[in-house]
Amino acid sequence: QVQLVQSGAEVKRPGSSVKVSCKASGGTFSSFTINWVRQAPGQGLEWMGGVVPIFGAPNYAQKFQGRVTFTTDESTNTAYMELSSLRSDDTAVYFCARQAVPSTGPNWFDPWGQGTLVTVSS
Amino acid sequence: EIVMTQSPATLSVSPGERATLSCRASQSANSNIAWYQQKPGQAPRLLIYGASIRATGIPARFSGSGSGTEFTLTISILQSEDFAVYYCQHYNGWPLTFGQGTRLEIK
Repeated sequence: QVQLVQSGAEVKRPGSSVKVSCKASGGTFSSFTINWVRQAPGQGLEWMGGVVPIFGAPNYAQKFQGRVTFTTDESTNTAYMELSSLRSDDTAVYFCARQAVPSTGPNWFDPWGQGTLVTVSS
Repeated sequence: EIVMTQSPATLSVSPGERATLSCRASQSANSNIAWYQQKPGQAPRLLIYGASIRATGIPARFSGSGSGTEFTLTISILQSEDFAVYYCQHYNGWPLTFGQGTRLEIK
């Protein structure tokens, strides 16, 4: 049973960058798309994009194009999400979530990481 | 982009009763719909995929139905642990989008 464990909470200044990690254990990593979803305080879920480790080519939601970078390290079964030019409205919990079926096309998410709170404040 | 609209925003139901949550897609999503449950401070948990297939370990009181643009999540006999926020999501193509959520609260 695969588990996703994310890095700890971060506090960042506006204009800086943050890098969140998501480590998979107990299952296959390379063939499954790792997606990133964020949730602002008291708000709903927002898909940021995904990446298939074995292919490495990321798929970014248009809203985040140019500001987000997804990377993976197959040697450690870890995915990373880096968001730059941070603003106060980037304050949110960031989740990684693995697609349930290995495919280059989209499918449902299972499991999810526990979430990483990123607070952007001066 | 497919816009997912959930209704109602908040649903008040008594334990032991039935809850019916709706999700509408702005264009056909076929049966490529998932439902998730989220409790405070937790990550979402997969309940349903393929519009009607229960995920592993999900109790039979949860059921999903629909295809095309109209989808429903039904919880047949509400238990105390079912009070949470529920999200639908389409995966019929990029970009993936979620509904804004339905908060299920105790009446």
